[in-house]
Amino acid sequence: ELKVEQNPLFLSMQEGKNYTIYCNYSTTSDRLYWYRQDPGKSLESLFVLLSNGAVKQEGRLMASLDTKARLSTLHITAAVHDLSATYFCAVDSNTGNQFYFGTGTSLTVIP
Amino acid sequence: EPEVTQTPSHQVTQMGQEVILRCVPISNHLYFYWYRQILGQKVEFLVSFYNNEISEKSEIFDDQFSVERPDGSNFTLKIRSTKLEDSAMYFCASKKGLNTEAFFGQGTRLTVV
Repeated sequence: ELKVEQNPLFLSMQEGKNYTIYCNYSTTSDRLYWYRQDPGKSLESLFVLLSNGAVKQEGRLMASLDTKARLSTLHITAAVHDLSATYFCAVDSNTGNQFYFGTGTSLTVIP
Repeated sequence: EPEVTQTPSHQVTQMGQEVILRCVPISNHLYFYWYRQILGQKVEFLVSFYNNEISEKSEIFDDQFSVERPDGSNFTLKIRSTKLEDSAMYFCASKKGLNTEAFFGQGTRLTVV
């Protein structure tokens, strides 16, 4: 089974600061997704990364994928309170029949 | 904007009872999934469905679970005899193609008492 690990699990940061969330996975895959989940809510798609070196940016969030290192990063620039949520990465299996979620990173942005 | 819809939003059931969770995927999507999330924990894969059959299922998806796409629009998850440990948020998701993101429904919170 493909294993997906995120770190940190919990992140508390001040508004205006930058930080990076890491997502490591155990077997080869070139399809990786980032989702955001607010408490008690569903999973909102943030980014789709489909190839080695892919980089996507939306607002204060930027995601990248290094398939050789089996690593994706989600970089937060100048955090604001509205970014407080849990962030999950999810990696497609080679068959494409399922995607495996990481452990999640609970982000709290403090004013 | 098209979305995945799930009903009910919350279901309370007694242990041993059967439940059916309903989902309407986005209309032109071809791949369908059920995931669950026990409160505060990671999102776990249950089953995927394509071309009217199960593509893959996890160890969680035992004989007590089944899925159906009865009418070309609904996608249901049935749990035949619920256990306390089945209490979780159940998410339905659909994808248009293999290289696209999955869109998730709002979830059904299942509470087994």
